[in-house]
Amino acid sequence: SQQGEEDPQALSIQEGENATMNCSYKTSINNLQWYRQNSGRGLVHLILIRSNEREKHSGRLRVTLDTSKKSSSLLITASRAADTASYFCATDQTGANNLFFGTGTRLTVIP
Amino acid sequence: EADIYQTPRYLVIGTGKKITLECSQTMGHDKMYWYQQDPGMELHLIHYSYGVNSTEKGDLSSESTVSRIRTEHFPLTLESARPSHTSQYLCASSALWGDEQFFGPGTRLTVL
Repeated sequence: SQQGEEDPQALSIQEGENATMNCSYKTSINNLQWYRQNSGRGLVHLILIRSNEREKHSGRLRVTLDTSKKSSSLLITASRAADTASYFCATDQTGANNLFFGTGTRLTVIP
Repeated sequence: EADIYQTPRYLVIGTGKKITLECSQTMGHDKMYWYQQDPGMELHLIHYSYGVNSTEKGDLSSESTVSRIRTEHFPLTLESARPSHTSQYLCASSALWGDEQFFGPGTRLTVL
């Protein structure tokens, strides 16, 4: 499969704590993206990191990319109940014409 | 909020019926996509389009067909629905390959 894998599959934390989820992939990429999906809805783009970048920030989100290990992590700081959702990584693989989505991490933030 | 729309949001139909899931976007994007997603699972690409009059099958084999007669419209059709088609169908678009994709709210299809 060309799709990535994420871990953990599920994560439950208290409001205010930080949440970290990881994504591993198998091939060369142009960029890696993170998306959020609220239950039963479409996906919303969060952040894009290019293959020549190592870290990127957007508000409470911090994304790192290690192309040598073919892995990325998404850190959500000071989590809120509204952050409860599934989070997917997606890779723009070299030579491909579409994104390949990971298996997702289901995050629950307990108020 | 992305300017990409899907109708219907929910559909329950009997086996053997022909259905069309509608998807339209107002962003002028050339690239459009259909994904299939079972609850709690990853997305699987079933169709995509480069632009008007160009469509391709995705990674997951699907009995559905698509058409792209207008830039903004990318409908998906099932000629004869079966219970195995029960799933959520997500439509998306992007300006370029590999760019951020904008997703519609999805259509949840149940075939009895």
